[in-house]
Amino acid sequence: NAGVTQTPKFQVLKTGQSMTLQCAQDMNHEYMSWYRQDPGMGLRLIHYSVGAGITDQGEVPNGYNVSRSTTEDFPLRLLSAAPSQTSVYFCASRPTRQGSYEQYFGPGTRLTVT
Amino acid sequence: GQQVMQIPQYQHVQEGEDFTTYCNSSTTLSNIQWYKQRPGGHPVFLIQLVKSGEVKKQKRLTFQFGEAKKNSSLHITATQTTDVGTYFCAAGGSQGNLIFGKGTKLSVKP
Repeated sequence: NAGVTQTPKFQVLKTGQSMTLQCAQDMNHEYMSWYRQDPGMGLRLIHYSVGAGITDQGEVPNGYNVSRSTTEDFPLRLLSAAPSQTSVYFCASRPTRQGSYEQYFGPGTRLTVT
Repeated sequence: GQQVMQIPQYQHVQEGEDFTTYCNSSTTLSNIQWYKQRPGGHPVFLIQLVKSGEVKKQKRLTFQFGEAKKNSSLHITATQTTDVGTYFCAAGGSQGNLIFGKGTKLSVKP
């Protein structure tokens, strides 16, 4: 198993550009989520999904969209990039929403918005 | 919303010294997880605590969950340079998500 994969690893955008961060997992996990990590701020939840066709907002959803058409994929779209979105983005998955299971994180995407 | 406070934010130790990070919540937690993130890496699951007063050990790491299930700690005995990284606690949220503390960044001087 590849686990959780993310592409690209690095990205530089200009203010106002849009892009999609890709996330895929091959563990048949129901639950997937996106976090952003900023210095001194820990990991903050952007959006999450409890299964295909179901998504919901996390702590910091503004400026981001998500969709979950398949169990495997959970892309994160930046609609109009802003410098405040410069961050490291992590995708994570876990077997199910219910119960308590460890989350598996992808390697991250380092995004810079100029 | 639910918050998890983690202290200290930074800890610098000499190799061989002990290290402890603490996690506190104002509400009772159903469970707490601990993750380690190496510099430039991604968070990796270490352990989960569920029961009141639970203590678990992994080699030099000792994890505790408070009797009231509102606090937790991670203690590393005799730190090594391989322990360098940021340690996060994370509490289960109402929507099945995890609420992360801001982490404790550990540096170890050889």
